[in-house]
Amino acid sequence: RKEVEQDPGPFNVPEGATVAFNCTYSNSASQSFFWYRQDCRKEPKLLMSVYSSGNEDGRFTAQLNRASQYISLLIRDSKLSDSATYLCVVNGGSGTYKYIFGTGTRLKVLA
Amino acid sequence: GAGVSQSPSNKVTEKGKDVELRCDPISGHTALYWYRQSLGQGLEFLIYFQGNSAPDKSGLPSDRFSAERTGGSVSTLTIQRTQQEDSAVYLCASSLRSAGRGTEAFFGQGTRLTVV
Repeated sequence: RKEVEQDPGPFNVPEGATVAFNCTYSNSASQSFFWYRQDCRKEPKLLMSVYSSGNEDGRFTAQLNRASQYISLLIRDSKLSDSATYLCVVNGGSGTYKYIFGTGTRLKVLA
Repeated sequence: GAGVSQSPSNKVTEKGKDVELRCDPISGHTALYWYRQSLGQGLEFLIYFQGNSAPDKSGLPSDRFSAERTGGSVSTLTIQRTQQEDSAVYLCASSLRSAGRGTEAFFGQGTRLTVV
């Protein structure tokens, strides 16, 4: 089982749609959770951190379910500029201080 | 405010040659990470530095790969006797503290290595 699993997509959605991505992680000791965005042939950039209480940043909402070891990202009112690959990232758990990346979910927002 | 800087941005080398990739992290960041990303693939962890020490080098694919960090700042990833399967984008990231303490990583633009 991969340490971080994501549906690779692609998710093709029309502008204005709401889309949700899910991610599961295997290490129950993981402590830090993030969503990164990666545009084609560019480096990953932080989209948002994910907190246990859930957090929202404009059109983006992230949720964490520790019991199910599950992270989600919701994008409302999708824009063409949201087209990218979204990477789920967790730290490796107690005593392991590396970031582990999922393979990413591709999103295409269509005009 | 300089971000993470990597050089060269592109490197084409002949099979069997050695290459050195350089990473300048954000000033004051104690943790530094190397990843590589093959075309259409996810990020593969290579090595992690805390200061000048490398507590986790479990991702280095073979003994042809080595890395060092000096002065708690610049890091160099060296690949000896390059092979075609080494072709990938090598990404460096730094964070203020180690990943276990809730801090995010900031990435450089990567070095695109092509072995011909």
